[in-house]
Amino acid sequence: NAGVTQTPKFQVLKTGQSMTLQCAQDMNHEYMSWYRQDPGMGLRLIHYSVGAGITDQGEVPNGYNVSRSTTEDFPLRLLSAAPSQTSVYFCASSPLAGNTEAFFGQGTRLTVV
Amino acid sequence: DQQVKQNSPSLSVQEGRISILNCDYTNSMFDYFLWYKKYPAEGPTFLISISSIKDKNEDGRFTVFLNKSAKHLSLHIVPSQPGDSAVYFCAASIYGKLTFGQGTILTVHP
Repeated sequence: NAGVTQTPKFQVLKTGQSMTLQCAQDMNHEYMSWYRQDPGMGLRLIHYSVGAGITDQGEVPNGYNVSRSTTEDFPLRLLSAAPSQTSVYFCASSPLAGNTEAFFGQGTRLTVV
Repeated sequence: DQQVKQNSPSLSVQEGRISILNCDYTNSMFDYFLWYKKYPAEGPTFLISISSIKDKNEDGRFTVFLNKSAKHLSLHIVPSQPGDSAVYFCAASIYGKLTFGQGTILTVHP
């Protein structure tokens, strides 16, 4: 049982480049979300989705896009990477919005130079 | 404005003793509170939770206490073990949207 799978685990980007962080879950969870973790800041919500075709912004959405075409996948897109987006990114899923025992992926460490 | 705060960046405890991790929040609309544990290079893993209508929840060595009037929750680990050494995050939820504290690094010495 894979749970929540994030790829890649590590990535280095140049300023201005774009990329997509992948997230897939095999638990048929409706609710998926993306967080970033920065030192001293905890985890901050970027975007979330309550089901296929439905997404919304979290606390720090600027510079990121998401889409949810299937229940399983929730990719996070950086359109034009900036050094301020250097962070560790976590994807999470849970059965229902409101059931908040979220399961997290292993994280993607992104460095923008 | 940080709605969930963990004011102690670190905590050091002797094996066998009690660890108490604290968390304060400001938004009275939070309806669910959780604690997550995180090891280096891994994602957070769920530890224990409590609904806003309760004041205590216990699971083995872990107990979470909620004081709604003080907007404060705490995690007690008894007895503490070296394998408990990790970063602990408290989180508060409104309709499934989690707001995390900054985390507390717990070190349990043998």
